[in-house]
Order: sequence, then structure tokens, then C-alpha cells
Amino acid sequence: ETGVTQTPRHLVMGMTNKKSLKCEQHLGHNAMYWYKQSAKKPLELMFVYNFKEQTENNSVPSRFSPECPNSSHLFLHLHTLQPEDSALYLCASSQWAEGDFLYEQYFGPGTRLTVT
Amino acid sequence: GENVEQHPSTLSVQEGDSAVIKCTYSDSASNYFPWYKQELGKRPQLIIDIRSNVGEKKDQRIAVTLNKTAKHFSLHITETQPEDSAVYFCAARPINTGTASKLTFGTGTRLQVTL
Repeated sequence: ETGVTQTPRHLVMGMTNKKSLKCEQHLGHNAMYWYKQSAKKPLELMFVYNFKEQTENNSVPSRFSPECPNSSHLFLHLHTLQPEDSALYLCASSQWAEGDFLYEQYFGPGTRLTVT
Repeated sequence: GENVEQHPSTLSVQEGDSAVIKCTYSDSASNYFPWYKQELGKRPQLIIDIRSNVGEKKDQRIAVTLNKTAKHFSLHITETQPEDSAVYFCAARPINTGTASKLTFGTGTRLQVTL
């Protein structure tokens, strides 16, 4: 699969577990994003990275910890999650917007997370 | 911050009919409005976008209109086909916020095209 890939595609974890989600983009982009998609709620932006530097943290609880070692890889480390954190977690990438010009965001297939 | 509302949440049309999805936004500084389509079990994909210096944009059977004064924008799909069945999300982005690629999404519209 080309473009933006995510692993695992499905994850079931207990509230005391620690797990990580991985995202990789093969598009040469320099910006990466984590979104949370819950039923009947809008796509919620969680984190934004530009050239590996975090530029946005949308008041996300500390039990979610992002990591961006380079512009092609993005991780979301999870620990002591709650059942309400169950959702589809989508990664996206784009070129970083310059001023008035915005580049399309390309989404990965998502990781379906269930917290038991 | 920006708030985007989207209506309706579900829409059922017969094949060949038109479908219209409407969104309103709150931040008058927003100037970029993309629409994403998410088929069942698949990732969201950009289908069309519009910038605030344009009132309407068309791409084959899809068109988007923008009314900056009223702060609303709409997606129009003509001659609908079964493959148009999906969830459609609108989004808005304000310019010069310091987080240039931040999008605020609507709650989505589930479009069902019936035969």
C-alpha cells in the first residue's frame, strides 16, 4: 500500500496496557497529523507536526503521547486509556501550508482502537 | 476557535437525483473550505475545495458554493450514482493562525443513493 500507511489496523487493549500506533507516509510530505474519529462526532485534530516539530496540541490528555522521529514517521503512544478513547485514529500528511496556500491532506486507513 | 456545523446528518436520494449538503462556520477569518468523502471502511479523501476569493467551483457532477457574508458553504452533487454513497465531511481553515494546516471538520453527512 502506498501513500499513507498505518499499523496496526485494529487494536484491542485494556486500560492498563501500553501500546503504540504507527504511521508512515511515502509522499515526501513534511507535515503529519493525528485525528480521532468517533461515531457521530467530527474528525478531531489531536496533534500536528511540521518538519518533526510539534506545532499543535489540541488539549489532548497526556495519556496520548505523540512522537515524530522524522518527517516520514509518526507514532501515537497510548497508556492507561479509558473506554471513551475507543475510536478510529487517523493519520494524515501534507506539505506544510505557506501563508495563503494550503496543500491537500492525505489520510491513512486508520487504526480501529477498542479499549476494554 | 472555529466551529463548523453540518446538515443534514443523513440524506437519502434516488439515483439520478441531486444531493445538497450544507455547512456553516463561525470564524470569519476562515478562507479555505475542503470537502472530504469517506466510503465505508475507507479513509477520507478530498473531493473538492474552495477558497474565499471564489463563490463557486465545479468539477464534473460536484460543485461547491460559498457565501462569505452568511458564513455558509454547500456541496452539490448532481445525477447521483450508487458509488456516491459515503459520508461527506466539510471543513474550514482560518488563515494566518500560526497553525497553517489546521482544519476544523463538520460532523459528517451520510449520503445513501438508492436504486
